[in-house]
Amino acid sequence: EPEVTQTPSHQVTQMGQEVILRCVPISNHLYFYWYRQILGQKVEFLVSFYNNEISEKSEIFDDQFSVERPDGSNFTLKIRSTKLEDSAMYFCASIRDRGRTGANVLTFGAGSRLTVL
Amino acid sequence: DAKTTQPPSMDCAEGRAANLPCNHSTISGNEYVYWYRQIHSQGPQYIIHGLKNNETNEMASLIITEDRKSSTLILPHATLRDTAVYYCIVRVRGKSTFGDGTTLTVKP
Repeated sequence: EPEVTQTPSHQVTQMGQEVILRCVPISNHLYFYWYRQILGQKVEFLVSFYNNEISEKSEIFDDQFSVERPDGSNFTLKIRSTKLEDSAMYFCASIRDRGRTGANVLTFGAGSRLTVL
Repeated sequence: DAKTTQPPSMDCAEGRAANLPCNHSTISGNEYVYWYRQIHSQGPQYIIHGLKNNETNEMASLIITEDRKSSTLILPHATLRDTAVYYCIVRVRGKSTFGDGTTLTVKP
């Protein structure tokens, strides 16, 4: 069964450093998402991406965050200057086609655990 | 997206059916009900979805009331591996908003 692949599985970084989290969505999927989950808290929406641009973003997704799909397969989340409160699991997800309910199922990756020291 | 209400926790005996309720009284006519679960800190996993008819797949059954204001996810023969947080989400398109979900604990 097709999977969403995320790397790295765990990254430890110093506060103020830049971090890039990578995702390879399912190949025929068109809509891409990043979510995060701080330990013990809810899964929170960060951003959605379609046709090479952001389609929706949350209040969490401020100027420190950016996303891109540099090569047609990878989908990356960059945190420019990490803060302690950015420590969380970051999940990438994708949907094949948002327009038809049968294809509106989110497929999530296993997540990247980010620890900011 | 419509707001959902789920009990915070439930227990179920191994081998018995687990029935997880969800209230979505403000659901609109074109919003679908989706269920996901999250085992420990893994990525959420899709279970099932429906609009107004009851649905069944290899994982679970989904019963939606006639007025669509509530639904029940049924795991017919719960196993220890079904211990997880179960999320009920209603939406048409766009982002999925996860609430607190129901923590289901399957006990031997």
